[in-house]
Amino acid sequence: SYELTQPPSVSVSPGQTARITCFGDALPKKYAYWYQQKSGQAPVLVIYEDNKRPSGIPERFSASTSGTKATLTISGAQVEDEADYYCYSTDSSGNPLFGGGTKLTVL
Amino acid sequence: QVQLQESGPGLVKPSETLSLSCTVSGGSISSYYWNWIRQPPGKGLEWIGYIYYSGSTSYNASLKSRVTISLETSKNQFSLELTSVTAADTAVYYCARGQSGVAGVIWLVPWGQGTLVTVSS
Repeated sequence: SYELTQPPSVSVSPGQTARITCFGDALPKKYAYWYQQKSGQAPVLVIYEDNKRPSGIPERFSASTSGTKATLTISGAQVEDEADYYCYSTDSSGNPLFGGGTKLTVL
Repeated sequence: QVQLQESGPGLVKPSETLSLSCTVSGGSISSYYWNWIRQPPGKGLEWIGYIYYSGSTSYNASLKSRVTISLETSKNQFSLELTSVTAADTAVYYCARGQSGVAGVIWLVPWGQGTLVTVSS
């Protein structure tokens, strides 16, 4: 079955650039979205349609897709960016599909 | 702005039916895709299914035999029923509005705050 594959964890120091990857065979044809989920909270959309930022999301969040790999980049990561990040797209049936999630640690 | 709020029992016995509702405020339910997503404790997000405002549905293949999502337009609500639950169905259940984006991806925003449902006798 179709999957979106993310690394379980990424760790950076404050001020460094964090990069979280997501691999999926359909990503060349389907947009990737990224959700941030802080502990005990509902997910929040931080990137849509591969690289667009919703209003209110800081400019340090950006993303890109190349072939089957989507990448979320947090430039100058801050302590408050510590969260789980999920890539999101569709499966072969066109239904919503989440990646397994990546725990970002900033310390 | 649109807000969603889940409601329902926090404890369900094994083999029984889990029933949750999601109330939509600040906007009409007569449009968009209305979704349920769950998250077992300490694990990732799993999409359960959606109902389109026209009444058509789509479910996760792994849950399809046990899931029903329905609309109550007059109450601006939509509901989830999951039958024959086991401990593996213990999770935080979220509702979310879905809108059709470019290339057919239904993206989810906003979300409700989530409600924990525990399956235990």
